[in-house]
Amino acid sequence: DAGVTQSPTHLIKTRGQQVTLRCSPKSGHDTVSWYQQALGQGPQFIFQYYEEEERQRGNFPDRFSGHQFPNYSSELNVNALLLGDSALYLCASSRGGIATPLHFGNGTRLTVT
Amino acid sequence: RKEVEQDPGPFNVPEGATVAFNCTYSNSASQSFFWYRQDCRKEPKLLMSVYSSGNEDGRFTAQLNRASQYISLLIRDSKLSDSATYLCVVNMGLDTGFQKLVFGTGTRLLVSP
Repeated sequence: DAGVTQSPTHLIKTRGQQVTLRCSPKSGHDTVSWYQQALGQGPQFIFQYYEEEERQRGNFPDRFSGHQFPNYSSELNVNALLLGDSALYLCASSRGGIATPLHFGNGTRLTVT
Repeated sequence: RKEVEQDPGPFNVPEGATVAFNCTYSNSASQSFFWYRQDCRKEPKLLMSVYSSGNEDGRFTAQLNRASQYISLLIRDSKLSDSATYLCVVNMGLDTGFQKLVFGTGTRLLVSP
């Protein structure tokens, strides 16, 4: 039973560039949430996808966008990268519903120089 | 006021000690609560859900106080392997029925020999 998988593991980009991060949810899960975790902070909710639509969004600018595919996998895109975008990006999957705990992937560590 | 607040610590305790963490949340309508554990440079993992009646899992006990809007985690007989960051998590995705988990900044625990 595959858990949540994310790619790539690490990424180095330059300010102003664009980046795409990928996530495959745990088998049987249909909802994907993305979180940004800066050093020393808790994960911050970016957005959540269900049935290929963005269902909820946190306090992140439009530079952050996403997509969910029919197989439930998801992408996170960040445009016009800033130094402050350097963080661990975590993907979490669940089944739609209030009390389902999230299962996290190992994350993608993005460094913007 | 932050949606979920925790004392960042660190809490330095000897092996065998009992330690407790508290966490406060701002939305009185929140319905589900969790404690996650995060090891250094790893993804968060579910430690336990927090139920209204309180719940226990081995050396770990979680309590919920709705009137005061806080949850707690008690760890008895601390082990070296308990050293980690403990994240308080509150589900605030109530309007749409989809979960929007809001994380605290985490409380760091260091257990020493």
